[in-house]
Amino acid sequence: DTAVSQTPKYLVTQMGNDKSIKCEQNLGHDTMYWYKQDSKKFLKIMFSYNNKELIINETVPNRFSPKSPDKAHLNLHINSLELGDSAVYFCASSQVGAARSGNTIYFGEGSWLTVV
Amino acid sequence: DAKTTQPPSMDCAEGRAANLPCNHSTISGNEYVYWYRQIHSQGPQYIIHGLKNNETNEMASLIITEDRKSSTLILPHATLRDTAVYYCIVRPSYNQGGKLIFGQGTELSVKP
Repeated sequence: DTAVSQTPKYLVTQMGNDKSIKCEQNLGHDTMYWYKQDSKKFLKIMFSYNNKELIINETVPNRFSPKSPDKAHLNLHINSLELGDSAVYFCASSQVGAARSGNTIYFGEGSWLTVV
Repeated sequence: DAKTTQPPSMDCAEGRAANLPCNHSTISGNEYVYWYRQIHSQGPQYIIHGLKNNETNEMASLIITEDRKSSTLILPHATLRDTAVYYCIVRPSYNQGGKLIFGQGTELSVKP
């Protein structure tokens, strides 16, 4: 079973549309994240949730809204999509405070979003 | 900003050891050194991490200098499947929501 799974893997949509990317982890972790990798391949954190509470919110436009219905899920909703939103979005999870693992973060396989 | 410096690219012959260096001269006493890699079109994959002591697992070895200002990731017998971008990251051990700050990494090409 995939530890961190995201859907859809590929998404092509028009400017102005609203779309969602779903993420689920079956590792029993208490913290989940969204990262964005742009065309220059830089990976940057967008959001972090711990036990369904928002911990990190980087300077992301408020068109992006994460929603965590429970500890195992963190979905990313994007409103009014723009061309610059085209990127690969990675979901991840970790168990904060796990001593030996050192809060190791495990990533999903990514969701390729193309806005046309 | 990333707190590490890595060479942008390296080559390694298949079957040989790949030694990937990383400088982290401003590392703090409570910060771990993490290594991840990203194979083309896949998500970042955890490799190994350490604080002060050298570490080894089934994937790699991590050698951290005594002053902790640099480290080396060693893939003992590189295969073509090890071709990837390797990221060296430093981060605190305590809870900060697990913020990993990725730099540009080293693009390792393993050649037959």
